[in-house]
Amino acid sequence: EVQLVESGGGLVQPGGSLRLSCTASGFTSSTYSLHWVRQAPGKGLEWVSYITGSSSAEYYADSVKGRFTISRDNAKNSLYLQMNSLRDEDTAVYYCARDAGMVMFDQWGRGTLVTVSS
Amino acid sequence: QSALTQPASVSGSPGQSITISCTGTSSDVGGYNYVSWYQQHPGKAPKLVIYNVSNRPSGISNRFSGSKSGNTASLTISGLQAEDEAHYYCCSYTSSRTVRFGGGTKLTVI
Repeated sequence: EVQLVESGGGLVQPGGSLRLSCTASGFTSSTYSLHWVRQAPGKGLEWVSYITGSSSAEYYADSVKGRFTISRDNAKNSLYLQMNSLRDEDTAVYYCARDAGMVMFDQWGRGTLVTVSS
Repeated sequence: QSALTQPASVSGSPGQSITISCTGTSSDVGGYNYVSWYQQHPGKAPKLVIYNVSNRPSGISNRFSGSKSGNTASLTISGLQAEDEAHYYCCSYTSSRTVRFGGGTKLTVI
């Protein structure tokens, strides 16, 4: 069974850091680009970042560029999101998603909640 | 990177058809056939219902269909059922090699 499981969320103060993880199972993760998508409480989906299967390229939304870093370890079937200089507006459920084509997110995790608050 | 434009809400009665629009620019929706649509029920992860403008993934009912004209993509759901009540989001690849989602549309089956 194909599965994506996020972890690492929690409560962090403004200006703090957090590292999210997403563990893939049931498929060869290295053959897919993987994305982070977030959803603030009661709001819509917002794309955050993606990384190609070979880690040859990574892209970011303007709202997180320079503060967040995406990475992956295909040997561990894992995707990561290092989040620094966190702001209140970064509070959201963070989902990892598998891209089976071009913005064809066919598998999603259940999400991990990040709360930025003092 | 503002969101693609979707109506905030649409409604329909069981058995009817509804269409949700998604308007972007020539740098995203109009420039590529890489538009997808997602259904999200409360408290759940999004679910892919349409990809590459008009393709349905395996297991998705043929009541769901997609199309595009110029900078506007559309999702049509025919034969509305109570279980279709959810939020729907469009998504497009962009010329900057990034991704844009729509603001989301709440579908109410009345």
